[in-house]
Order: sequence, then structure tokens, then C-alpha cells
Amino acid sequence: AQSVTQPDIHITVSEGASLELRCNYSYGATPYLFWYVQSPGQGLQLLLKYFSGDTLVQGIKGFEAEFKRSQSSFNLRKPSVHWSDAAEYFCAVGAVAGTYKYIFGTGTRLKVLA
Amino acid sequence: DVKVTQSSRYLVKRTGEKVFLECVQDMDHENMFWYRQDPGLGLRLIYFSYDVKMKEKGDIPEGYSVSREKKERFSLILESASTNQTSMYLCASSSRRAEGAYNEQFFGPGTRLTVL
Repeated sequence: AQSVTQPDIHITVSEGASLELRCNYSYGATPYLFWYVQSPGQGLQLLLKYFSGDTLVQGIKGFEAEFKRSQSSFNLRKPSVHWSDAAEYFCAVGAVAGTYKYIFGTGTRLKVLA
Repeated sequence: DVKVTQSSRYLVKRTGEKVFLECVQDMDHENMFWYRQDPGLGLRLIYFSYDVKMKEKGDIPEGYSVSREKKERFSLILESASTNQTSMYLCASSSRRAEGAYNEQFFGPGTRLTVL
């Protein structure tokens, strides 16, 4: 069955430091991959998505992610974190063709130290 | 500006009450979804709809039903609310430009439901 794993429940970084959030997926075909961010009390907002083509994807707010088929990973990165990046981040996979379902990871909560 | 709106941000109900959560999108999207979000469990799909009057069970449909009479509106119904349905409920929509394509989902702000 398809699944998405975000191994880090919480991550704390200092402002200005680099960030990498991990996402591993289990899916038989080429996946449709997404990263969303959820600020406190808000819905989810799309950061970036990968469907095909260049495996390094640029998103909003200075985020990027790299699709690595050999590692079944789609890790999210940012070179310099800002205090406003503190939020919860979700990785998602577009699921089995024809069902229109998405599978979400359990999320990684990011804390940013001033 | 695309919008998914949910009828309430916060809701408090009693055990056994019938609860309606409404979701409206203004993007003419075919697909609409209801998720519940609980700490440590991420988003779990309750129901989704790919067309008017069409619905599909998600991963946790027990205790819930849905209604989609108009394309823009997708309602989640708790027939008899229980305390274990206390949660954050998120509605989302997406377009379906091509068969099998997974476009991004647009989310509403969520409804935090407390069942006493």
C-alpha cells in the first residue's frame, strides 16, 4: 500500500540556519509529490509540487525540494530559515490512479530559535 | 484569489447531536475532500467527492456521511456526535484537468470541533 513517512516529528533550528525536512514515500509508479505548510490555526498552503521533469523543484518562500527516485525521497530544504517559517510541514503523495486520493505524512513541526 | 471557506472556525456540540460542517469553494473544482487532523496522525481522509452527488469513502468514514448537491459545496455530517470525533476538520478541493492527474489541493482554514 502507498505510504508517506516523515521521520522527524519535531525539528528545532536557529534563525539563519539551513533546514532539511525528510519525506520518504512508498509508491509503485512515478509519484505526484507535494509539500504543504500549516501555520498555527490555519489550513494548509502548498509550498511546491513535483509531477515530472527536473528533479529539483523550487517553491514559494525560498523553499526547494529534490526528488530522488533511488531513495524514494522528496526532502524539503531551505538555505536560511526565518522565524516566520515556524509551522508544521506535511509531505503528500498523489495516490492510486483513478481514486483522486492523496496520502499525507504525519507532519514535522518546525521550531525556530531567535 | 482562490478560496475554500468553511462554515465555522470553532464549534462546540454535545454528544449525540447531529453536526453539519459546510465547505464551499469558488474555483469550479471537481474534487472535494474532508480530512480530520489529529496530533501525531497527520491528515486522514474521511470522504471525498469527484463530482456532484458522487462520493467515495476515505480511510476513516465510520460515523460520518457527506452530501454534495452542488459542485461548489461539500458537507460533512456527523449523524450522532461522539467525544472521539473531537478534532480539527479540514476541507480541500482540487481540479481534475486530466484523468489521473493529481493537482494541488486548496484547503480551507479548518473547523475545530469539540464534542462534550
